[in-house]
Amino acid sequence: DAMVIQNPRYQVTQFGKPVTLSCSQTLNHNVMYWYQQKSSQAPKLLFHYYDKDFNNEADTPDNFQSRRPNTSFCFLDIRSPGLGDAAMYLCATSREGSGVLGGPKNIQYFGAGTRLSVL
Amino acid sequence: AQSVSQHNHHVILSEAASLELGCNYSYGGTVNLFWYVQYPGQHLQLLLKYFSGDPLVKGIKGFEAEFIKSKFSFNLRKPSVQWSDTAEYFCAVSGGTASKLTFGTGTRLQVTL
Repeated sequence: DAMVIQNPRYQVTQFGKPVTLSCSQTLNHNVMYWYQQKSSQAPKLLFHYYDKDFNNEADTPDNFQSRRPNTSFCFLDIRSPGLGDAAMYLCATSREGSGVLGGPKNIQYFGAGTRLSVL
Repeated sequence: AQSVSQHNHHVILSEAASLELGCNYSYGGTVNLFWYVQYPGQHLQLLLKYFSGDPLVKGIKGFEAEFIKSKFSFNLRKPSVQWSDTAEYFCAVSGGTASKLTFGTGTRLQVTL
């Protein structure tokens, strides 16, 4: 039944070693989001894909990149993780705009998250 | 820029007590308002939403929220909490499109038996 699936649930990486987190969805939503959530803080939007269009938040570090090879998958790449990048990373999807069928619009559905540790 | 403020960071209640969690937002245009819940070890789940119409919205598990436009508020309420309501509750707001969802810092609710 899982609709937004994030793998792995836990990821340990070394300082400076590139890491990729993955997200897949079975909802056929056209928008996919990546959030960073640090302990006791609100989820913070890093970027999102609206269809194939990438939208980066102004304050997202260059160290964070994303790829969306198709509708179902989206990846978060951290090129050189630092200790400050240890966090929970949340993927979400939503259906936006006209001409996209299926389910309510403007509601984001979240995955369970990937907890990243940096050693 | 939009922002969300949740006044209570940690709330402890006994079972059957009534709950009200405050949420105020700042945004210059039409807003969509949400409450999400995150149970321990689980993903964020939508509790309820307001897009337009009746400002009193009902969500799952007996929760409701009231949108008061003049106060820029969207407080969450439940008449009688249960132990299973122990979770973190996030208020969130988006503008014309859901692409810019801004969360509050969350309120940790602990319900004791």
